[in-house]
Amino acid sequence: RKEVEQDPGPFNVPEGATVAFNCTYSNSASQSFFWYRQDCRKEPKLLMSVYSSGNEDGRFTAQLNRASQYISLLIRDSKLSDSATYLCVVGQHNAGNMLTFGGGTRLMVKP
Amino acid sequence: NAGVTQTPKFQVLKTGQSMTLQCAQDMNHNSMYWYRQDPGMGLRLIYYSASEGTTDKGEVPNGYNVSRLNKREFSLRLESAAPSQTSVYFCASSDETVRRIFGPGTRLTVL
Repeated sequence: RKEVEQDPGPFNVPEGATVAFNCTYSNSASQSFFWYRQDCRKEPKLLMSVYSSGNEDGRFTAQLNRASQYISLLIRDSKLSDSATYLCVVGQHNAGNMLTFGGGTRLMVKP
Repeated sequence: NAGVTQTPKFQVLKTGQSMTLQCAQDMNHNSMYWYRQDPGMGLRLIYYSASEGTTDKGEVPNGYNVSRLNKREFSLRLESAAPSQTSVYFCASSDETVRRIFGPGTRLTVL
């Protein structure tokens, strides 16, 4: 079983739609959680951190459920520019601040 | 402020050839990392350096060596390239947080 699992997609949605991605992680000792965005043939870039109480950044909302060990990302009012792969990332603060990356979920927003 | 830079951007090698991937960061970060990214596998850590003068193995170190030349530079060497090392290689750096700043990547093909 992968340590961080994501549905690879692709998720094809029309502009303006709301779309949600989920991610599950296996290490219950995980302490930090992130969503990274990766455009085609580019490097990953931090989209947002995920906090226990949930957090929002504009059209993006991230939620963490520690009991069930899953993380979600909700994108409202999708834009064409949101088309990318979204990587779920889980971290442990010991052992050199290691991060474990999910395989990514691909989103395609259509006009 | 260039962030993290990598050279070369693309490389084609024959089996058995050697090469060094270069990485430099100008953010005064202590920690630097080398990852490889393969389709559906997520980013996997090859080696990391928590501080100048130290290096440690990650998840997939076999076939690679690294050198932390100084605080800015962290190189990855393939001594005898194999087709299984065909991948996209990303260098990253971080400060005391868990977040990573990635370079633009090197696309390596081993024939």
